[in-house]
Parts: sequence; C-alpha cells; structure tokens
Amino acid sequence: AQTVTQSQPEMSVQEAETVTLSCTYDTSENNYYLFWYKQPPSRQMILVIRQEAYKQQNATENRFSVNFQKAAKSFSLKISDSQLGDTAMYFCAFMKGNSGYALNFGKGTSLLVTP
Amino acid sequence: EPEVTQTPSHQVTQMGQEVILRCVPISNHLYFYWYRQILGQKVEFLVSFYNNEISEKSEIFDDQFSVERPDGSNFTLKIRSTKLEDSAMYFCASSAPSGGRSSYEQYFGPGTRLTVT
Repeated sequence: AQTVTQSQPEMSVQEAETVTLSCTYDTSENNYYLFWYKQPPSRQMILVIRQEAYKQQNATENRFSVNFQKAAKSFSLKISDSQLGDTAMYFCAFMKGNSGYALNFGKGTSLLVTP
Repeated sequence: EPEVTQTPSHQVTQMGQEVILRCVPISNHLYFYWYRQILGQKVEFLVSFYNNEISEKSEIFDDQFSVERPDGSNFTLKIRSTKLEDSAMYFCASSAPSGGRSSYEQYFGPGTRLTVT
C-alpha cells in the first residue's frame, strides 16, 4: 500500500513571498503519478500540478513548481509570488499506474497567505 | 471548459434512510470515481468505475454502498442505510481514456455535502 505524508499541518506566507510545501510518499511501484490539489474554503478540489514519475524534469505551471526527488520519494510544491487567493488547503496525492486507479491523498497542509 | 457536475450540493437525511448522490462526468471521460472527505480530514477513495463495472474499491466501500451508470451521462452513488458517520463531503471525479496526454488526471466535481442526523 502507498502512503503519502505531509508533515506541515499549517503554513503561513506573506503576499509576494515564496513558500514550499513538503510531501513524501512510500511505494514499491515503478510507474506512478504525483499531484498537488488545492482546496479553497469552497471545498472544491482543484488540480494544481502533476508529475509523471518517469520524467526527470520537474513540472512547472506558472507560479507553481515541484521539486521531485524520486530516489528520496519526495515531491514538494513551491509557490512563487504568493497571492491572497492561494490561501487554501493543499493536498499531495499519489496514483499508481494510469487511468482508473485511486488517488491516495496526504492529510493536507493549510496555507495562509497574509497581506 | 468541460466540468464535472454534482447534485444536490447539500443533502440532509435521517439515519437509516437511503440517499442517492448524482454526478455528471465530463462527456468524453470513461473512468469515474467517488471520494469522500469527512470534515477536517483527508480525501479518501471509495470506488472507481469503468465500462459499467467497478474497477477498484476501498475498504470503506462496503455493502451499504453501490454505484451505477443508469444512462449515458449520470453516475450515481447510493448509500442504502445511512449512518451518522457517513456525514461527509462526497466528491465525484472523472478521467479520460488511456492514451491521451492527460488521461491520468482526475477532475473533481464541486462535491455534495451529506449530513446524516
């Protein structure tokens, strides 16, 4: 079974600053995918960024980037130029294989962006 | 942009009653999922569905739960006899067929908040 660990229950960052959310996972799978989802107060789950395990290059989506360390089984999310709208719960998730498999989520990190 | 929709947004029911939560996945998607999130906790996988069959289910998805694709657009989750601990947000998600660039990405609906009293 796969486990996903987010060791930071809460974090705070000032507007325009950079923050990094950590995530580690445990798996024996070779083919898998990693994701960060954002959950604002509305509780909608929004896909922020994804990483294929077979790709060495770290994924980037605008202000969001990841640091994927496959050997260390680490998948951190960096948010640059933080905005007030980034305030949300952030969940790291693991999925083995391809379509049809379950997303296995961490417990989440609550991020507060302050003015 | 296509999106997953869910109805109702909030459902209140009494313990022991049956509830049906409804979802309309993205139209060209073939994999469908249900997740739940008890308030303040992480999102937990319940079941995945493909080609009119359950492809994977978790320990949570016991005999009280069932899923169905009653027509070409809806995907439903039924809870036969609700318990207080079934109170949670229930999310539907869908993903595209294999082979596409983003076939592994799951897109979530806005959720149905189920309150069991």
